[in-house]
Amino acid sequence: NAGVTQTPKFQVLKTGQSMTLQCAQDMNHNSMYWYRQDPGMGLRLIYYSASEGTTDKGEVPNGYNVSRLNKREFSLRLESAAPSQTSVYFCASSASRNTGELFFGEGSRLTVL
Amino acid sequence: AQKITQTQPGMFVQEKEAVTLDCTYDTSDQSYGLFWYKQPSSGEMIFLIYQGSYDEQNATEGRYSLNFQKARKSANLVISASQLGDSAMYFCAMSGYSGGGADGLTFGKGTHLIIQP
Repeated sequence: NAGVTQTPKFQVLKTGQSMTLQCAQDMNHNSMYWYRQDPGMGLRLIYYSASEGTTDKGEVPNGYNVSRLNKREFSLRLESAAPSQTSVYFCASSASRNTGELFFGEGSRLTVL
Repeated sequence: AQKITQTQPGMFVQEKEAVTLDCTYDTSDQSYGLFWYKQPSSGEMIFLIYQGSYDEQNATEGRYSLNFQKARKSANLVISASQLGDSAMYFCAMSGYSGGGADGLTFGKGTHLIIQP
């Protein structure tokens, strides 16, 4: 069972470059999320999508854009990467919008030089 | 807005001892859920246990139990008979809809647990 799949697992960018993190889930979940994890900060919500066709900002959305391509896929785009965006990014999905367990991908480690 | 506080950045515990990881929360929601996740050094997030705010019994899952004290707004994780494989980061998180707040879970900053032989 694949669950939540993120690509790439690792990426190094130069300041100002752009990139897209891809996420796909095969559990038929309505809700999908992007979090970032920084040392000592826990996980912070960047954007989420409660259903296909909708996206909303989370706690730390600046510098990011998202696309809910279909029910399975939710991508995160960095248009002009900055060193402050060096982090581990997690995609997650949930069957229930607010009360359900999150199922996480393995994470994507991004370094911006 | 919801807030999770984990006051123990790091803990050292002897193998086979019981461990309590502290978690307090703040919310204006009447209905919410409390979760604990484990993150080993390999980096994946592993769901451990869930407690609903209206559940009368404390949740248990094998060696894990959640000590839920609603009046104190605390949701401590108890690991019985700790094992070396329990060494990891542990995150407390909560869900709930604040009528305008973001969906998903709000996470604490985590506790780094190290089990010593």
